[in-house]
Amino acid sequence: SQTIHQWPATLVQPVGSPLSLECTVEGTSNPNLYWYRQAAGRGLQLLFYSVGIGQISSEVPQNLSASRPQDRQFILSSKKLLLSDSGFYLCAWSIRGQESSPLHFGNGTRLTVT
Amino acid sequence: AQTVTQSQPEMSVQEAETVTLSCTYDTSENNYYLFWYKQPPSRQMILVIRQEAYKQQNATENRFSVNFQKAAKSFSLKISDSQLGDTAMYFCAFMKLGGAQKLVFGQGTRLTINP
Repeated sequence: SQTIHQWPATLVQPVGSPLSLECTVEGTSNPNLYWYRQAAGRGLQLLFYSVGIGQISSEVPQNLSASRPQDRQFILSSKKLLLSDSGFYLCAWSIRGQESSPLHFGNGTRLTVT
Repeated sequence: AQTVTQSQPEMSVQEAETVTLSCTYDTSENNYYLFWYKQPPSRQMILVIRQEAYKQQNATENRFSVNFQKAAKSFSLKISDSQLGDTAMYFCAFMKLGGAQKLVFGQGTRLTINP
């Protein structure tokens, strides 16, 4: 069966520090991968998605970037964190080429920028 | 661009009651999917149910069912015989066909089931 791992679960970082959140998927090949952010009390906003290694699409302009160095690895990064980057970050995967595939989410990372 | 609206920020019902969560969406697409996701206090997003727009029959998953009204662009979720474990945030989401499966989420409804 497929599993998605996301870490760390919680993170407290000072303003101006770098960020690296990692997500890996097991049990499937060539997945589509996604990073979503959930601000407190709000819905999820799509930040990035990837349909293949090295292929990253950004949905909103922001202080963050994403990379996909391997087929089942998706990394969310920042060179200098802002207070507004605080939130709950969720990684997700779906089956590439299957239009009806739902998204399957990781357990999320709660990021607090102080 | 598609938008999804959940007009009920919070709802509360007694255990074993039936509750309906509302969702409306705006799109010019004819073929798409709609989803309900559940986010319990653990914060993990769990797929509850999905509906293909081309299907007239409403989807059902055990105690969960939807009322899909395509012309009205409405997609409500009904939970029958509610249980304490149903307490969670519920998100309605829209996905148009083609390319990556990008979901557009509503703001969510916080549902509390009281004993």
